[in-house]
Amino acid sequence: EIVMTQSPATLSVSPGERATLSCRASQSVGSNLAWYQQKPGQAPRLLMYDASIRATGIPARFSGSGSGTEFTLTISILQSEDFAVYYCQQYNNWPRTFGQGTKVEIK
Amino acid sequence: QMQLVQSGAELKKTGSSVKVSCKASGYSFTYRYVHWVRQAPGQALEWMGWITPFNGNTNYAQKFQDRVSFTRDSSLSTAYMELSSLRSEDTGMYYCATPIDATDAFDIWGQGTMVTVSS
Repeated sequence: EIVMTQSPATLSVSPGERATLSCRASQSVGSNLAWYQQKPGQAPRLLMYDASIRATGIPARFSGSGSGTEFTLTISILQSEDFAVYYCQQYNNWPRTFGQGTKVEIK
Repeated sequence: QMQLVQSGAELKKTGSSVKVSCKASGYSFTYRYVHWVRQAPGQALEWMGWITPFNGNTNYAQKFQDRVSFTRDSSLSTAYMELSSLRSEDTGMYYCATPIDATDAFDIWGQGTMVTVSS
């Protein structure tokens, strides 16, 4: 099973600042990586797939990069609605696996 | 619009079974796989497996293989997840989700069904 490790566990950022979230896979997943945003009491929302493609309706301030084992999600200018938990997920191997999440909180 | 609507919260006894439904609308049900994802309280997401509504084929995560069953009723555009021999660790939110074509990135999610297991 591929283990997805996200860092940091918690990221404290001020509105208007940039946030950079990392996700590392225990073995190569190519570009078969997705990012999700989850707010309390809600289902996850797909942000990025194939590592760098924004899902429908996702604002341009979200961007994804990386391939192989190292991936990054960047939120260029944090808005109030961006404070949430973010998960990465690989879909290169079975079973599909998620990271443990990064909580982006208001500084 | 494409939507998945799940059945309501369940309270179950240890050792019993639970069956959660997931009704699709806004797209052709047989066209997209349906996956199930679990989330224990305050914990990360955990993939359980998928069913293809076209022919009912399934693929289960090894962790759940002995206790889970996915079925579907195409006439109702509904998928089902049944988990048996429930234990307290099965308490959590259960989501169905369907992926973008040619990926397993889940762009449509159900609202979740909370399953609470108590003795």
